[in-house]
Amino acid sequence: QVRLQESGPGLVKPSETLSLTCTVSGDAISSMTYYWGWIRQPPGKGLEWIGSVYYSGSTSYNPSLKNRVTISVDLSKNQLFLNLTSVTAADTAVYHCARPSGGTYYGYWGQGALVTVSP
Amino acid sequence: QSALTQPASVSGSPGQSITISCTGGSSDIGAYNYVSWYQQHPGKVPKILIYDVRHRSPGISSRFSASKSGNTASLTISGLQAEDEADYYCSSYTSAYTIVFGGGTKVTVL
Repeated sequence: QVRLQESGPGLVKPSETLSLTCTVSGDAISSMTYYWGWIRQPPGKGLEWIGSVYYSGSTSYNPSLKNRVTISVDLSKNQLFLNLTSVTAADTAVYHCARPSGGTYYGYWGQGALVTVSP
Repeated sequence: QSALTQPASVSGSPGQSITISCTGGSSDIGAYNYVSWYQQHPGKVPKILIYDVRHRSPGISSRFSASKSGNTASLTISGLQAEDEADYYCSSYTSAYTIVFGGGTKVTVL
């Protein structure tokens, strides 16, 4: 059973960097099969794809966030990471890590981590 | 990238059929057969319903069906049930090697 668990600070100050970790169990990021993703959802709003990372470190980012986002992996710890710099209140959201079931659709989601950007 | 366009809300009575549209462009929906649909109940994680335009995910009721024509994809829920009341999101792979979601549609069962 694939399980994903996000962790990190629930409160970040404006202009600082949001950093989250996703710990994966039941599958290996190094399995070379999938692009692991990060997706966020502001309270009461829709889903926004942030980006994805392959086991090799190859990444793809949402163009609207590309200048501020970095996604990476640590194969030895079976973890993926999200860094989002220069945050504002608009970055307040529940952040999910996810694994595709197939090529481009996400069948496995973490429960999500609520990150609030506030002074 | 711009979000795919979905109606904000759709409603129907139990037993009826409803259809949710998802409109993109020639660089996403129109370019690939990689359209997916998700269902999200309040406070829950999104659940994959449909992938690759029309393929139901394992365990998903046959009441859910989907299709695509040009730059527009559609999700149909037949025999609407109270448990179908939820938010629905489409998504598509894009020519920029990214994923884009729709804005979401709230389905209300009257």
